[in-house]
Amino acid sequence: AQSVAQPEDQVNVAEGNPLTVKCTYSVSGNPYLFWYVQYPNRGLQFLLKYITGDNLVKGSYGFEAEFNKSQTSFHLKKPSALVSDSALYFCAVRVMNSGGYQKVTFGTGTKLQVIP
Amino acid sequence: SQTIHQWPATLVQPVGSPLSLECTVEGTSNPNLYWYRQAAGRGLQLLFYSVGIGQISSEVPQNLSASRPQDRQFILSSKKLLLSDSGFYLCAFERDTYNEQFFGPGTRLTVL
Repeated sequence: AQSVAQPEDQVNVAEGNPLTVKCTYSVSGNPYLFWYVQYPNRGLQFLLKYITGDNLVKGSYGFEAEFNKSQTSFHLKKPSALVSDSALYFCAVRVMNSGGYQKVTFGTGTKLQVIP
Repeated sequence: SQTIHQWPATLVQPVGSPLSLECTVEGTSNPNLYWYRQAAGRGLQLLFYSVGIGQISSEVPQNLSASRPQDRQFILSSKKLLLSDSGFYLCAFERDTYNEQFFGPGTRLTVL
């Protein structure tokens, strides 16, 4: 079984400060990891993914995430938050598997509020 | 380029009425297709997924059903809506099992 945990329902950060949105995962095997963002009344948009290779992944809108295998984490980060970053963020995981279909599991979401 | 369409954008239906939500994908072939429901603007609940025409997997027992009559068309249906069916319905596709998902704009369903 695979699971994703986003331990914070909401994260508040002042504009211009660095932000971190936390994600931990549990899989039996090697994971594919994703971050998505959702603005109000919209579908989710893909931000970035980790498949293999460099543990630091850069994505859209200046976001990045670091894969940490020993801590089974994939935290989303940005050096300087913008008010427009305020949205709902989802972490997702899928296990690499040589055969058969594997579903993706989404976290429960973290609401990011950037305060002007 | 790949695009995904959902309609209608909003829908208000009485309890006991039927439902049909449609999702179509352009710019890719044989995508994996998904229906999710999102309640109260939070977590996603996977309802159905399809890895090919006529192949539907159901995740949650409920009064909803899904069909995939064409490669890039995915339909969510109900014969009789319940109050608990209200929510934000999202369709998504992925080119293959190990790529990211692309989501449609969603349908806001209110059952009264």
